[in-house]
Formats: sequence, C-alpha cells, structure tokens
Amino acid sequence: DADVTQTPRNRITKTGKRIMLECSQTKGHDRMYWYRQDPGLGLRLIYYSFDVKDINKGEISDGYSVSRQAQAKFSLSLESAIPNQTALYFCATSDSLTSGSYNEQFFGPGTRLTVL
Amino acid sequence: GIQVEQSPPDLILQEGANSTLRCNFSDSVNNLQWFHQNPWGQLINLFYIPSGTKQNGRLSATTVATERYSLLYISSSQTTDSGVYFCANAGNNRKLIWGLGTSLAVNP
Repeated sequence: DADVTQTPRNRITKTGKRIMLECSQTKGHDRMYWYRQDPGLGLRLIYYSFDVKDINKGEISDGYSVSRQAQAKFSLSLESAIPNQTALYFCATSDSLTSGSYNEQFFGPGTRLTVL
Repeated sequence: GIQVEQSPPDLILQEGANSTLRCNFSDSVNNLQWFHQNPWGQLINLFYIPSGTKQNGRLSATTVATERYSLLYISSSQTTDSGVYFCANAGNNRKLIWGLGTSLAVNP
C-alpha cells in the first residue's frame, strides 16, 4: 500500500466550481504540505501544516484553502476554480521527529486537475 | 530569496552512458533532496543528502555544503532513467525551494 495517497488522481472541472483534493498518509508523520506544479516548472508550496492545529500559507495560497482533519489527513480546496489553477497537485509529508529541524519530504502520486 | 539552479536543463544519452547533474544554491544547504519525476508525473525520492556522499545502485550523490552545490551521478543509464530530475533545498524557514529540473532522455 502507498504511504501517501491522493484522491482523485485526475479531475476535470469547470470554472467557478468548488473542488476538494484529499490527501491521506500512513507514515505517521506530523507535517503535511500541498504543492502545485506547472509545466516546465518545479513545485511551489501552497499551504503547509506542522500539526493538526497548525496551518500556514505558502508562496501561492491565494484562491486555495486547506483543512487538517486529522494527523493523517490534509485536504486542499479550490472554492471557485479558475483555468489558471490547472496544474499537477502534490501532497507531501515529513516527520519532525527525525533529522532535526530540517526533514525529508515524501510525496503522493499527484492529482492532475484541469479547469475548463 | 533562495535560488536553486540546475544544470544542464536538458540531456540526451545513449543507453549505457554515464552522466552528472549539478545543483547550485545561493543559500546554505539544509535539507537537500534529489527527486526523479517519471514520465507519468510521479515524484520519486532519490536522496536526502544535506552533506557527504550516498550511493544507491547506479545512482550516487555528493553534496559539498561549504561550496553550496550538489551532484547527482547516473552510471550505466537505462531507458527507465528518463524523466526530470529535481533538486530542492530548504532555507531557514524550512520550506523546500525547487530547481527547474534537468530533463533526461535515455535512448535505447
């Protein structure tokens, strides 16, 4: 079984629709992240959460919101999707209890989102 | 802000060839990771290497933190090595900053 899972894996939606991307992990990690990747680019951080009660904006949080329902679950919502949110979205986890303050991140398989 | 520069941007190899990919950083190296993104888009962790040298099969990586660079070596390349290789580093704010990647094509 995959350690970090994302649902759905692919989604096509229309402008203005609300959409939620979900991430679950069985690694027991406390930190979770949402990134987006646009063609030809590296990943950019949308939101991150260091524990269930901690939510932080990343570099491109506008138009997105998140919910950390449990240590193992972190959801990303697009309240009113727009075409320039078409991208590949990744969830990642890391463990603050290893490697000190800086820790290795592990990624889910990605969700390919298309907004028409 | 932190800059992460990768070179070369594109690389074409014949199967069996060796290659070296480079990552330069403008800031201190704290949480250096190398990833392989396969043609299906999946990100695969290759190395977590803030310093020193590690090897995993045909791949190895070296990070020289004092000189702010890291190298990824691929030996005896195979077609399954094709994809994009990313390096990423975290600054003092713990956020990973990504390079633009090296796109590798290994031809049979």
